Amino acid sequence: NAGVTQTPKFRILKIGQSMTLQCTQDMNHNYMYWYRQDPGMGLKLIYYSVGAGITDKGEVPNGYNVSRSTTEDFPLRLELAAPSQTSVYFCASSYSGTGGEQYFGPGTRLTVT
Amino acid sequence: KQEVTQIPAALSVPEGENLVLNCSFTDSAIYNLQWFRQDPGKGLTSLLLIQSSQREQTSGRLNASLDKSSGRSTLYIAASQPGDSATYLCAVRRSSYKLIFGSGTRLLVRP
Repeated sequence: NAGVTQTPKFRILKIGQSMTLQCTQDMNHNYMYWYRQDPGMGLKLIYYSVGAGITDKGEVPNGYNVSRSTTEDFPLRLELAAPSQTSVYFCASSYSGTGGEQYFGPGTRLTVT
Repeated sequence: KQEVTQIPAALSVPEGENLVLNCSFTDSAIYNLQWFRQDPGKGLTSLLLIQSSQREQTSGRLNASLDKSSGRSTLYIAASQPGDSATYLCAVRRSSYKLIFGSGTRLLVRP
């Protein structure tokens, strides 16, 4: 079982560029999440999805977009990258929403210069 | 607004010591609380999940307790080992689907 996988592991972007962070889970989980973690801080929720075709904003959604066309995939799109988006991005999934344990991917370390 | 605080921010102990990590939260209306381990440059590994109706959970040398009324949780690590060195994060789940994280405790277990 691969669990939650993320690509790429590292990326450097120039200001104004765009990119998509990929996330895939093979546990047939309905719920998926994107978080960012700034140095020395906890994680903050960017977007989440409760099933294919359904997404909603988290705490810090500005500058990001998501889509959920399949149960397995939940890509995160950065448009017009800014230095403030330099962070480590984690994707997670869970079987249920409020009661379930969340499983995390290994993260994508993004630097915007 | 729910806030989660972890004290201390960093802890260094000799191998073999029993230790307690603390997590406090401001709003007791939570669904559950989850403890994670994060190794440098890695993702999060779930250690223990305590539902709001539970008082504690145990896994091996780890024991997590939950006191909702006082807004506190503790993670007890018995007989610490150098391999336990990592950052430990707690997170609470409230009425939505998101986890609200503390900023973590960096643990170093010295051989």
